Amino acid sequence: SQQGEEDPQALSIQEGENATMNCSYKTSINNLQWYRQNSGRGLVHLILIRSNEREKHSGRLRVTLDTSKKSSSLLITASRAADTASYFCATVPYYTGANSKLTFGKGITLSVRP
Amino acid sequence: NAGVTQTPKFRVLKTGQSMTLLCAQDMNHEYMYWYRQDPGMGLRLIHYSVGEGTTAKGEVPDGYNVSRLKKQNFLLGLESAAPSQTSVYFCASSQTTDTQYFGPGTRLTVL
Repeated sequence: SQQGEEDPQALSIQEGENATMNCSYKTSINNLQWYRQNSGRGLVHLILIRSNEREKHSGRLRVTLDTSKKSSSLLITASRAADTASYFCATVPYYTGANSKLTFGKGITLSVRP
Repeated sequence: NAGVTQTPKFRVLKTGQSMTLLCAQDMNHEYMYWYRQDPGMGLRLIHYSVGEGTTAKGEVPDGYNVSRLKKQNFLLGLESAAPSQTSVYFCASSQTTDTQYFGPGTRLTVL
C-alpha cells in the first residue's frame, strides 16, 4: 500500500520556470525523502527531511514539510531540460527499529520544455 | 566504487521457468532491498535484508525468494515465473533507514 501520494501526476513547464511537486502521506513519519528517476534508470536520492525539520535546501532544490497536514513539497527553481524525469516521494514511518522501511509514492512525471 | 550493480540487465523467461537476479554492493551497507516497478504503481518492496544472513518479507513477496549469504550480495529468485512477474526489478542498499542507493534495474519479461 502506498503511503505517499504525489500531486500532480504529471507536470509540464518551460525551461527557467519553477516546478512545484507535492506529496501527502497518511501516518506519522520519521523522515521523508525525494528521489529522481531518469527514463530507464534507477532512482537517485535528492534530499531528506526529518520530522522535526520544516525546510531544507540543496542547490536548486527546496523541500518543505508540514507534519500537521502530513504533506511535503519539492520546489525545483530555474528548471532545466535535464530536470525532465520522474520524481518520487518516500516516507520512513515514525516507529524506530531495524525494520523501518521506505514506502514510495507512484511518482510525478516532470517535463521541462527547452 | 561501482555502487550497486545488478545482473542481468534484461531477461526473457517462459512461464514456469526459474531464474535468479543478483545484486551486489561495494559500500559495505547493512540493508539491502528488492523492489519491483510497474507502470502507474510506483515501487513496491518485495523482500529486504537488515544484515548478512537475514531476510524479511516486504509488500509483495509471493512468488519470490531471497538470500543474503554474503553482506555484499542479495539474490532474488523466481522459482516458477508467471506473466504477472513481468516488471522492472530494482535492488537498493543503505547503511541506515535513510538514503537508499539504487542499482540500474533488471527488465524481466515472462511470456
